[in-house]
Amino acid sequence: DAKTTQPPSMDCAEGRAANLPCNHSTISGNEYVYWYRQIHSQGPQYIIHGLKNNETNEMASLIITEDRKSSTLILPHATLRDTAVYYCIVRANNFGNEKLTFGTGTRLTIIP
Amino acid sequence: EAGVVQSPRYKIIEKKQPVAFWCNPISGHNTLYWYLQNLGQGPELLIRYENEEAVDDSQLPKDRFSAERLKGVDSTLKIQPAELGDSAVYLCASSAGQVNTGELFFGEGSRLTVL
Repeated sequence: DAKTTQPPSMDCAEGRAANLPCNHSTISGNEYVYWYRQIHSQGPQYIIHGLKNNETNEMASLIITEDRKSSTLILPHATLRDTAVYYCIVRANNFGNEKLTFGTGTRLTIIP
Repeated sequence: EAGVVQSPRYKIIEKKQPVAFWCNPISGHNTLYWYLQNLGQGPELLIRYENEEAVDDSQLPKDRFSAERLKGVDSTLKIQPAELGDSAVYLCASSAGQVNTGELFFGEGSRLTVL
């Protein structure tokens, strides 16, 4: 699986959009981009994933560049409960490759 | 619907003692994972089960760690004997095995402290 690069930490004001970048310049054509987050003392939680089109769900939006070498997770109206470590993961969705390989992620702090 | 349940949440033991962690996955989920998370790091896979078969245990330190998933439902992870460096959070996750979703459901973890 391709490796990802994320900033170690970010701050965002409450109520503003939080934009979390991820670089995955060696991503292969069959690899998806996944985002998980981990709130303190909890297990990781799935947020969203995509292949090449932008995706949106009730939690967030995922913007993937046309060359697929980077992506941005957007939390449109950040709240204090969004303070967490956010992990960007790339993975091919083929049989026998069901595991996720986590990096160190971005620690997002929402400022009141 | 209940999520992934793990116990105990916290365990403190002295080095060289044995310890066991239990995981009950989401009903119907065929795939079960045990991850290890050290402080400040992302989770690392220890072992993955498809039903009762361990299909990926390459990262499990087999000299002291063992795992089982009898009947393809609950799973137990054991450490014997525990060492100081085993202090970490042990996370269990499950998935429906539908590869294209890539969505793993994690429990809250079991925090181990070895003194």
